[in-house]
Amino acid sequence: QSVVTQPPSASGTPGQRVTISCSGSSSNIGSNLVVWYQQLPGTAPKFLIYHDNQRPSGVPDRFSGSKSGTSASLAISGLQSEDEADYYCATWDDSLNGYVFGPGTKVTVL
Amino acid sequence: EEQLVESGGGLVQPGGSLRLSCAVSGFTFSKYWMHWVRQGPGKGLVWVSRINPDGRDTAYADPVKGRFTISRDNTRNTLFLQMNSLRADDTAVYYCVKDLGGLFDNWGQGTLVTVSS
Repeated sequence: QSVVTQPPSASGTPGQRVTISCSGSSSNIGSNLVVWYQQLPGTAPKFLIYHDNQRPSGVPDRFSGSKSGTSASLAISGLQSEDEADYYCATWDDSLNGYVFGPGTKVTVL
Repeated sequence: EEQLVESGGGLVQPGGSLRLSCAVSGFTFSKYWMHWVRQGPGKGLVWVSRINPDGRDTAYADPVKGRFTISRDNTRNTLFLQMNSLRADDTAVYYCVKDLGGLFDNWGQGTLVTVSS
């Protein structure tokens, strides 16, 4: 069981906005930078958002990240069919001395 | 182009051992922290281990402590994971991952380890 929690699923119709939450504690999200990874079916993950809210080149601006205290969130606006994937938040945990991933959220486009 | 190519996975009996390798190219391997991350069938991502650039600083997730050993050969641009006393719950795809300052910016394609009798 992960020390960081996410909802198991989220869904929306094309064009809608979907938000995924990621909740942790002072030893992980509260004191370290959060990264979001996207894993398309059958592929290796790739990073989507880093340093809580920074988007690497090539990632559409439909994706945005934010953080407040011990919680972070990923928002996907203008949902598209190709956004169907698993999304993971991740960060370092000072107490565990290890990297922690959230359990993942499966996004479905209805 | 940066590439990370894992090898060494396969079927092993409970209690057995396996050594994974990850050959990298396209970047200066000796400058980066490296990690292993695994993903059980139908499950989420789980961090396994990390190693610093010179190989002297390592860390492990609790489930693998004392059984797995991460190492690297900077002269051969290769990362390793020695896995001993394997259990059924170690069954997973194992990814080799490059660390760009706390974010995993490049992942290998993964190698499947199946622990079963």
